[in-house]
Amino acid sequence: QQPVQSPQAVILREGEDAVINCSSSKALYSVHWYRQKHGEAPVFLMILLKGGEQKGHEKISASFNEKKQQSSLYLTASQLSYSGTYFCGTALDGAGGTSYGKLTFGQGTILTVHP
Amino acid sequence: KAGVTQTPRYLIKTRGQQVTLSCSPISGHRSVSWYQQTPGQGLQFLFEYFSETQRNKGNFPGRFSGRQFSNSRSEMNVSTLELGDSALYLCASSLQGVAYNEQFFGPGTRLTVL
Repeated sequence: QQPVQSPQAVILREGEDAVINCSSSKALYSVHWYRQKHGEAPVFLMILLKGGEQKGHEKISASFNEKKQQSSLYLTASQLSYSGTYFCGTALDGAGGTSYGKLTFGQGTILTVHP
Repeated sequence: KAGVTQTPRYLIKTRGQQVTLSCSPISGHRSVSWYQQTPGQGLQFLFEYFSETQRNKGNFPGRFSGRQFSNSRSEMNVSTLELGDSALYLCASSLQGVAYNEQFFGPGTRLTVL
């Protein structure tokens, strides 16, 4: 089941903030965030696991609401380098609190930051 | 530390042919996943290999197959190519499981099927 991302696109000026959301209809084990610039490979930003553990870059902020199966990525004081397509990937929660171990990615959110 | 490498970077094939793509993960990484990326469908999971075993599989036809060698290098094979197989094929490596570790993506192989 593919997670749903919103919005599909965001246009910002440098210094502005943005929030990108990711929601699933299934119980999740983890949510992953990646950014992909045009012509490049996706780059890891953050993992949020059920139970509250987070792993990622210090300057990236995100949340995971386990009750709602929703995650949000917070981009504050945006810079030109933040431009790109942001993907959330979800791993479903399996039996015994483990994961089925495959990532399903959302359709992506295109973020454009202007000077 | 060297990153994930994929070869070849570009391929042009005709319908009905078969193709093999290669991926070398980061040293020490045992998990290799393959993804297909297209403008219409986004990033779609193909399969994951861990210690030479296919651990997870996406919803792709049997024409798509893969394997992993003892040195963790992985290959992906697509037989009887169709026009719709034109895509960027990305491989990603991680230390252990995909669900709880970051993945490092390679630059991808751009496959064009004519």
